[in-house]
Amino acid sequence: QVQLVQSGAEVKKPGASVKVSCKASGYTFTNYGIGWVRQAPGQGLESMGWISAYSDNTHYAQNFQDRVTMTTDASTDTAYMELRGLRSDDTAVYYCARLDYDDGLSWGQGTLITVSS
Amino acid sequence: SYELTQPLSVSVALGQTAKITCGGTNLGSQNVHWYRLKPGQAPVLVIYGDSNRPSGIPDRFSGSNSGNTATLIINTVQAGDEADYYCQVWDGGTDLVFGTGTKVIVL
Repeated sequence: QVQLVQSGAEVKKPGASVKVSCKASGYTFTNYGIGWVRQAPGQGLESMGWISAYSDNTHYAQNFQDRVTMTTDASTDTAYMELRGLRSDDTAVYYCARLDYDDGLSWGQGTLITVSS
Repeated sequence: SYELTQPLSVSVALGQTAKITCGGTNLGSQNVHWYRLKPGQAPVLVIYGDSNRPSGIPDRFSGSNSGNTATLIINTVQAGDEADYYCQVWDGGTDLVFGTGTKVIVL
């Protein structure tokens, strides 16, 4: 079955960068895109954008365009999301998800990123 | 940008039926998916393509979509159904859009 396993929780200082990994298994990695979604404390789900694991084409949400980079490594079936210039309001759980227009998203377990001085 | 609006919360007595709405312009022309979020757990797909249940989701969960409103229905609500529920669509085929989220409270 589809499984996405994310890297562990991290604590970062304001201004730093963080890179979260998402290792996929149970399907052909390059047949689907990977999206990144976050949930800040007490808030709803917010899409950050996605990357095609086939072409590496990316589409970033407007709110993150200047600070996020999404990449994939097909040799290890792993996707990465790097967020730069961290602020306290970037404290959130970050999820990767396998994208499917028709059948919905399959999610990773989430990675808590805490930004604190 | 496309917006999906959900009620902030829905309260339902144990064993009764919960109905969660998701509103958006011409939403009936889109594929709507629904997810359940519980604290500390990964989101779970409960309905895909408006009305289809993934394997492992009980038939107490159903969905519909018409006009400007999609609806998630949970029959015979159990205590374990208490969670946040989000609808989701694709806007223009490129933007992943989530609803505002609804907290289901089981009384």
